[in-house]
Amino acid sequence: SYELTQPPSVSVSPGQTARITCSGDALPKQYAYWYQQKPGQAPVLVIYKDSERPSGIPERFSGSSSGTTVTLTISGVQAEDEADYYCQSADSSGTYLVFGGGTKLTVL
Amino acid sequence: QVQLVQSGAEVKKPGASVKVSCKASGYTFTSYDINWVRQATGQGLEWMGWMNPNSGNTGYAQKFQGRVTMTRNTSISTAYMELSSLRSEDTAVYYCARRNDSGGMDVWGQGTTVTVSS
Repeated sequence: SYELTQPPSVSVSPGQTARITCSGDALPKQYAYWYQQKPGQAPVLVIYKDSERPSGIPERFSGSSSGTTVTLTISGVQAEDEADYYCQSADSSGTYLVFGGGTKLTVL
Repeated sequence: QVQLVQSGAEVKKPGASVKVSCKASGYTFTSYDINWVRQATGQGLEWMGWMNPNSGNTGYAQKFQGRVTMTRNTSISTAYMELSSLRSEDTAVYYCARRNDSGGMDVWGQGTTVTVSS
């Protein structure tokens, strides 16, 4: 079955830039989406269609795509950004959706 | 406001079935697919499948095919997810989520905890 690969953890200091990657063979064909999840809460969509930001999501969140890797970038990280982040996409046929394993962002 | 409200926590025995509901409000229920996602304690998100509330068409992850059924009642704007032949590994929080026109899951229910234990 199709898989998306994320690093288990990323750590940054406040004000620095965090980059979280997600790799998958079908990413050149299928859009990626990013979700933020804080403990005990439902996920929140922070990036859609690789690089678009929903209304209400701070400008410091951005997304990019290059080949089989997509990247979520958080510029000027704040303590409130500490959370788990998940990428999501679809297999090459678009039939099955899949989530990456998640990345825990720690703000030092 | 746009929201999805799920039914309460469930405790089931191995081999039983569970049916979780997801009531939509603040938007036209039949306009957007409902997806179901689960999360075991301390684990990541796992996509289970989707349902089109207008047509009733469904698509299930291969892992759950034969064991999951997604349905809806449009008169009360409610989606349902039924999982059968429960085992301990099915213990998780189950979420419903609206998938919008851009393909993202932009509205999520609060989650329903399902515990499978003898």
